[in-house]
Amino acid sequence: RKEVEQDPGPFNVPEGATVAFNCTYSNSASQSFFWYRQDCRKEPKLLMSVYSSGNEDGRFTAQLNRASQYISLLIRDSKLSDSATYLCVVNPNNDMRFGAGTRLTVKP
Amino acid sequence: DGGITQSPKYLFRKEGQNVTLSCEQNLNHDAMYWYRQDPGQGLRLIYYSQIVNDFQKGDIAEGYSVSREKKESFPLTVTSAQKNPTAFYLCASSTARRYTEAFFGQGTRLTVV
Repeated sequence: RKEVEQDPGPFNVPEGATVAFNCTYSNSASQSFFWYRQDCRKEPKLLMSVYSSGNEDGRFTAQLNRASQYISLLIRDSKLSDSATYLCVVNPNNDMRFGAGTRLTVKP
Repeated sequence: DGGITQSPKYLFRKEGQNVTLSCEQNLNHDAMYWYRQDPGQGLRLIYYSQIVNDFQKGDIAEGYSVSREKKESFPLTVTSAQKNPTAFYLCASSTARRYTEAFFGQGTRLTVV
């Protein structure tokens, strides 16, 4: 079983839509979690950290469910500029494990 | 400016040659990482280091080697033993504290012909 698994995608949504991505992880001892965004042929950049109580940053909401070992990312009111690949990251042993990524395309 | 620098951005090598990718950071980070990304795929961990003079294998270490002689530097050598080395290589660093994120260099695209 992979350390981190994500929805395979791709997701193609119209502008203004709400879209959710899920990610599961295998190491129950994992303590820190992140969502990164990667644009085509660029390096990944931090979108947001994921806290135990859930956290929100504008249109983006991240949730953590330790019991079921998954994290989620919700994007509300999608913009064209949200088109990218979203990577979830789990850090069980300071070894930063990435999921395969979910590609999102927001269309006019 | 603080950051992570990978060089070169593009690299072409002949099959069977070893090649070393550079990664330097001036963020005073303890931990550094090397990832490989193939088209349409996620990042796979090659090696990581949490402290100078120490490093651990990731999921796909075969055919690669690293060194960590200085805190700022974590070079990756792609050896001739790596069967399919053409890929996008990303270096990252972090403070190694539990809840802190990793920062990435701009990557090196290696093409072996």
